[in-house]
Amino acid sequence: QSALTQPASVSGSPGQSITISCTGTSSDVGGYNYVSWYQQHPGKAPKLMIYEVSNRPSGVSNRFSGSKSGNTASLTISGLQAEDEADYYCSSYTSSSTLFGGGTKLTVL
Amino acid sequence: EVQLVESGGGLVQPGGSLRLSCAASGFTFSSYEMNWVRQAPGKGLEWVSYISSSGSTIYYADSVKGRFTISRDNAKNSLYLQMNSLRAEDTAVYYCARERGVDTAMDYWGQGTLVTVSS
Repeated sequence: QSALTQPASVSGSPGQSITISCTGTSSDVGGYNYVSWYQQHPGKAPKLMIYEVSNRPSGVSNRFSGSKSGNTASLTISGLQAEDEADYYCSSYTSSSTLFGGGTKLTVL
Repeated sequence: EVQLVESGGGLVQPGGSLRLSCAASGFTFSSYEMNWVRQAPGKGLEWVSYISSSGSTIYYADSVKGRFTISRDNAKNSLYLQMNSLRAEDTAVYYCARERGVDTAMDYWGQGTLVTVSS
């Protein structure tokens, strides 16, 4: 049950786009289209932003999008806004568990 | 409105036990799979345990297997986590979270309850 690999930090200026990667294996990310992304602001509970690789729950801005290629999934945030500054976590289904990534801190410059 | 409210956290000595509860409302609890996820201070999210809607299927992270027990009472709309043989590394905020469906994405989370294991 090793964690998925994410960059520790990314940054971008308002209005720019950024992408966060999430690398796993063929037993998790690469084996299923069941990758999710969560946003977490300090002191708050995580919020689901993307499910099943690229689907947005109702109420989530269309500036957030997800994709996957092989064993790596990606979260792209376009038109960066100050309120996007937060920690982001990917997760993946496995046959008997859920794996999370280590988290990526997004800084909006 | 979907609500998940955890309780039962606190300070416990190493080797001790604690039982967390999660009260669910605003949805048909018996129809949803549930999870416990924890977050150590300043660290990332760690999945702890899963229970199916009926309670017949249960999974645990290797780090808690044999020490923690997940359960649910659908009549009381409640989820539980019995934690035994607690260690310092179990110190974390514990969240209960609802799974939206087969894909394991967790669409609703509680506010969390802090468990501190220290002498």
